[in-house]
Amino acid sequence: GAVVSQHPSWVICKSGTSVKIECRSLDFQATTMFWYRQFPKQSLMLMATSNEGSKATYEQGVEKDKFLINHASLTLSTLTVTSAHPEDSSFYICSPLAVGFREQFFGPGTRLTVL
Amino acid sequence: QKEVEQNSGPLSVPEGAIASLNCTYSDRGSQSFFWYRQYSGKSPELIMFIYSNGDKEDGRFTAQLNKASQYVSLLIRDSQPSDSATYLCAVNAGNNRKLIWGLGTSLAVNP
Repeated sequence: GAVVSQHPSWVICKSGTSVKIECRSLDFQATTMFWYRQFPKQSLMLMATSNEGSKATYEQGVEKDKFLINHASLTLSTLTVTSAHPEDSSFYICSPLAVGFREQFFGPGTRLTVL
Repeated sequence: QKEVEQNSGPLSVPEGAIASLNCTYSDRGSQSFFWYRQYSGKSPELIMFIYSNGDKEDGRFTAQLNKASQYVSLLIRDSQPSDSATYLCAVNAGNNRKLIWGLGTSLAVNP
């Protein structure tokens, strides 16, 4: 159980383009989705929390207009990095939270490199 | 400010030894405690979770929780080189289910 997929696993894009990352919970339903990013040799940093059908709640310092989150169903959430810049290069990881569970499981992550 | 603290390491142990990883937290109201393992370039993997005071064993792993002293530890018995990774401690204190993360302890198991 608790299988989470992310797509793409890595992406390289030019500065100014937008990148969409998909996160799917394959064998459970997730009412809550956490999106994290991690810079090299640093710990996880929570970007935002979204509940299915609701607007996401962003952490302080995270621009909601730059990092668009859609959590339209209990098995799919997307993070779109709009107008990406080199400083957005990072490892983005989703973590869906299953109904009735306290444990968080993580997707395999998406490595974004912006040139 | 709710905090979770871990010794960054690196903690180096010989193969077959017991590795002991420690974590302290500041919010006395914390209710759920998690240990994740993260290999370089990979996402975190849940190793153990514990909610009640005392010990919880799962294979070679034992989580220990002491709410009075506000610490949680992870013991790895018969350490293997494949256990070499960064171990992240995470604590859930509130109803919003967000985790507060430590910075992780790097463990190296030497053959």
